Amino acid sequence: EIQLQESGPGLVKPSQSLSLTCSVTGYTITSGYDWSWIRKFPGNKMEWMGYISYSGSTNYNPSLKSRISITRDTSKNQFFLQLNSVTTEDTATYYCARWNYWGQGVMVTVSS
Amino acid sequence: DVVLTQTPPTLSATIGQSVSISCRSSQSLLHSNGNTYLNWLLQRPGQPPQLLIYLVSRLESGVPNRFSGSGSGTDFTLKISGVEAEDLGVYYCVQSTHAPYTFGAGTKLELK
Repeated sequence: EIQLQESGPGLVKPSQSLSLTCSVTGYTITSGYDWSWIRKFPGNKMEWMGYISYSGSTNYNPSLKSRISITRDTSKNQFFLQLNSVTTEDTATYYCARWNYWGQGVMVTVSS
Repeated sequence: DVVLTQTPPTLSATIGQSVSISCRSSQSLLHSNGNTYLNWLLQRPGQPPQLLIYLVSRLESGVPNRFSGSGSGTDFTLKISGVEAEDLGVYYCVQSTHAPYTFGAGTKLELK
């Protein structure tokens, strides 16, 4: 069974970096598919942030400009999100996903 | 960016009632490879989103066949033929034809 699990701090200070890990079990991330980070803001709004493909290429939402980086550690079957210079507007629940498989999500609050 | 307009924002239904949700795109979602990458997701309270329908009308494995998707180009519909209590939550359409991938604003399905 394929499972994804996010981990990382639930509280980040403004201007700092948000770093999250997605650990994947049951499927090797280099075997196929794009592996995305998606966030849900308070309310219902959902935003696709970007993905890293099975080959290691990345595609980011231009709305995040140069603040975002998605990388991976193939030896650990994990991929990572780094979002720099966060503001309170980055407060959201963050999901890693492969469209048909999603992590449980991690709520991140940006506050001093 | 592609704008997905989902209607209605809220839907009240009784158990057994059939309902439909509309998702209209600001541009055609037909990819140059001939596929139309329009998915439907359901997020139940306290749960991550779940893929229901992909490529407009293909039912994800394990999803009850009371869910069906239809449409083409810019106009898409999710139909639930006989709402059950477990169907309550927020439904999203999401397109992955054009980057950045974008979501509809969501339709909350409630019990009447």
